[in-house]
Amino acid sequence: DADVTQTPRNRITKTGKRIMLECSQTKGHDRMYWYRQDPGLGLRLIYYSFDVKDINKGEISDGYSVSRQAQAKFSLSLESAIPNQTALYFCATSDPEGGIGFTGELFFGEGSRLTVL
Amino acid sequence: GQNIDQPTEMTATEGAIVQINCTYQTSGFNGLFWYQQHAGEAPTFLSYNVLDGLEEKGRFSSFLSRSKGYSYLLLKELQMKDSASYLCAPVTPQAGTALIFGKGTTLSVSS
Repeated sequence: DADVTQTPRNRITKTGKRIMLECSQTKGHDRMYWYRQDPGLGLRLIYYSFDVKDINKGEISDGYSVSRQAQAKFSLSLESAIPNQTALYFCATSDPEGGIGFTGELFFGEGSRLTVL
Repeated sequence: GQNIDQPTEMTATEGAIVQINCTYQTSGFNGLFWYQQHAGEAPTFLSYNVLDGLEEKGRFSSFLSRSKGYSYLLLKELQMKDSASYLCAPVTPQAGTALIFGKGTTLSVSS
């Protein structure tokens, strides 16, 4: 089983619909992230959370919201989806920087491909 | 803010050596990551440089010059499976592990 699991893996929806992408992890990490990837634009940070009570905006948070329901769960919502939110979305987790067990690695889920028509 | 610059695309042949450069301008600097990403897959960690100099890991090496805001990833004995995107991400004190990635360099290896 994957350590970082994203659901759904693929979703096609219509403009104006509310969409939630879910991420759960079994790595015991405190830190979780949502990125989106578009061709030619690389990975862009949407939101991140360093612990259950901490939520921070990333580079491109407009049009998105998140919820950190538990240490292991971090959900990304599109309240009213629009076509330019069509992208591949990645959730990731990590150890605290410099903390015990810090390896420098973000652990990514397999991605959720979202198409907004 | 951050400014990260990488070449968009590179091509090379099997068995060759290729160097992928990354220049960055950041407010503060703690280190720099390199990740590899095959098409349609999740990125995977390659290296993390904190100190100046070259770090070698098998066929892959990563170099950092903090004073020049410059890093490179060196891939030796290229194989077809090395065809992928390579992403650099400097770490700042403010953002820590909330990495901001460069746009990535797509490497195509041909036989």
